[in-house]
Amino acid sequence: QVQLVQSGAEVKRPGASLKISCKASGYNFKINYIHWVRQAPGQGLEWMAIIDPSGGSTDYAQKFQGRVAVTRDTSTSTVYMEVSSLRSDDTAVYYCARQGDRYLDQFDYWGQGTLVTVSS
Amino acid sequence: DIQMTQSPSSLSASVGDRVTITCRASQDISKYLAWIQQKSGEAPKSLISDASTLQSGVPSRFSGSGSGTDFTLTISSLQPEDFATYFCQQYTTYPITFGQGTRLEIK
Repeated sequence: QVQLVQSGAEVKRPGASLKISCKASGYNFKINYIHWVRQAPGQGLEWMAIIDPSGGSTDYAQKFQGRVAVTRDTSTSTVYMEVSSLRSDDTAVYYCARQGDRYLDQFDYWGQGTLVTVSS
Repeated sequence: DIQMTQSPSSLSASVGDRVTITCRASQDISKYLAWIQQKSGEAPKSLISDASTLQSGVPSRFSGSGSGTDFTLTISSLQPEDFATYFCQQYTTYPITFGQGTRLEIK
């Protein structure tokens, strides 16, 4: 069965960097795009980025351009997201999500989420 | 960016009630809308894609309709496990955007 398993909770100081992972299993990793979405405490869902695991191409929401980098390791079927220059308003649960098989498709599977707390 | 506006923001209802949540897009998104359920403390879960296609395993009391800019999610007979927050999501244009959410509470 399809699973996306994310790395554990993190506590970071303002200005630090963070790298979280999303390990995929149960399907051909190279076929489906992976997205990152975050949710601040008590807030809604915010799309951050997408990666094509096959070729590694990425796209980012404008507000995260230059501060977020998404990569993948096809040998371990894992996607990584690095966020630099962390601020207190980056405190959120970060989710990876798999896009369905089509070019325009919903997110059919979600990771369990990684809680990131940024505090001095 | 395409703005997604849900209404209401919150809703109180009883088990057995029929409820409808609406979502409006700021521009035409054709059928490329998903409805997502999120229970407290859990990851989001996809319910409906392409405005009206029920995902595998989702009960038939859930249904979706609409196209273009106006969409609805209907739950025909609320069950205790349906009390959650619901989001709409457009996936036709980047950045992908979500509605602000509708919190469905027990009356």
